[in-house]
Amino acid sequence: EDQVTQSPEALRLQEGESSSLNCSYTVSGLRGLFWYRQDPGKGPEFLFTLYSAGEEKEKERLKATLTKKESFLHITAPKPEDSATYLCAVRGSGGGADGLTFGKGTHLIIQP
Amino acid sequence: NAGVTQTPKFRILKIGQSMTLQCTQDMNHNYMYWYRQDPGMGLKLIYYSVGAGITDKGEVPNGYNVSRSTTEDFPLRLELAAPSQTSVYFCASSERQGISFYGYTFGSGTRLTVV
Repeated sequence: EDQVTQSPEALRLQEGESSSLNCSYTVSGLRGLFWYRQDPGKGPEFLFTLYSAGEEKEKERLKATLTKKESFLHITAPKPEDSATYLCAVRGSGGGADGLTFGKGTHLIIQP
Repeated sequence: NAGVTQTPKFRILKIGQSMTLQCTQDMNHNYMYWYRQDPGMGLKLIYYSVGAGITDKGEVPNGYNVSRSTTEDFPLRLELAAPSQTSVYFCASSERQGISFYGYTFGSGTRLTVV
């Protein structure tokens, strides 16, 4: 059974204070690790897909990295508008299109 | 481009009532999914579909049914609503190239309360 654990559950940062969110996973045959951003009252918004260890992707102040056991979402010089819940999910090779396994998310608050 | 559209946004049901949550996508994606999200919990897969006429159960299918008569539409039916079905429901769609699945596009969700 695929499992995803995100830490910390919540993180409060000052504007400009860089940090990282962690996503640890166990999966049989990784077919993709996904990062999403979710704002209150809205559906998750796709950020990145990583497929193999060593891969990195960037978007504005966000950078996602992947190892064989975990992924990090690095946030550089965050702004208040980066406040959201960040979700990590994995797809394994266990079966066709049977969906992603999601973590519980990290609730990030950026204070001005 | 509307993406994934869900209706209604909010609904209150009485125990034992039934309803259908609507989901439509205009991206011509073959893969569609229904998830529920409960406070403090990760998204849980209810049902999914790989194309018109093909559906399958996810992790938490009990109490729900789906159909997929067209590529665009993937409604979720709740029969005999129970308080345990109080949740936020998200519909999503995606596409695939080889063994690589692209990231989901989610709808904005339906917040359902069963009283």
